Amino acid sequence: GIQVEQSPPDLILQEGANSTLRCNFSDSVNNLQWFHQNPWGQLINLFYIPSGTKQNGRLSATTVATERYSLLYISSSQTTDSGVYFCAVGNSGAQKLVFGQGTRLTINP
Amino acid sequence: DTEVTQTPKHLVMGMTNKKSLKCEQHMGHRAMYWYKQKAKKPPELMFVYSYEKLSINESVPSRFSPECPNSSLLNLHLHALQPEDSALYLCASSQAQGVLSNQPQHFGDGTRLSIL
Repeated sequence: GIQVEQSPPDLILQEGANSTLRCNFSDSVNNLQWFHQNPWGQLINLFYIPSGTKQNGRLSATTVATERYSLLYISSSQTTDSGVYFCAVGNSGAQKLVFGQGTRLTINP
Repeated sequence: DTEVTQTPKHLVMGMTNKKSLKCEQHMGHRAMYWYKQKAKKPPELMFVYSYEKLSINESVPSRFSPECPNSSLLNLHLHALQPEDSALYLCASSQAQGVLSNQPQHFGDGTRLSIL
């Protein structure tokens, strides 16, 4: 089945810093979502981005489907950005979303 | 605010109890999902319902019994659970499962389940 690899596994930054999270996948996809899971366990949709680029405030994402990777950019980090960021992908073969192991982001004040 | 509502938020039960988790969405979505998430791990798919019919069961033990009474509701009936079943249970929905994979999934806030 499709494999999803996220990097880095852990990231610790100071407030105000910028960061880039990466998601590599092993097969063509027609679904790619980025989620933020906050410390209370809420899994929040950030982007649905099987291809192209999207921006939402301080967050943006780019998926290069032909090269099988996606990037999530966080600018001017805030402590509320802390949590785990998951990339999840799907294709017609998998018939389900496959999650990566996540990147744990800690933003220190 | 999440558009997928799960109740209860927390549940503590003994191994001999029977309880149910509930999930509701009013987005007109026709595919609904149950996931299980252990600490420091990604969510794992348990069940998928498409147009109120069970379409995927990821080899889940029979002590977990899903039910989809209508297109807006999804239940997970629990009986004779084990301590290792303690986890966060997440419900999700998406517009349709026709080609399941190309629809964004929307998650509820989860039920945190503890088995004594």
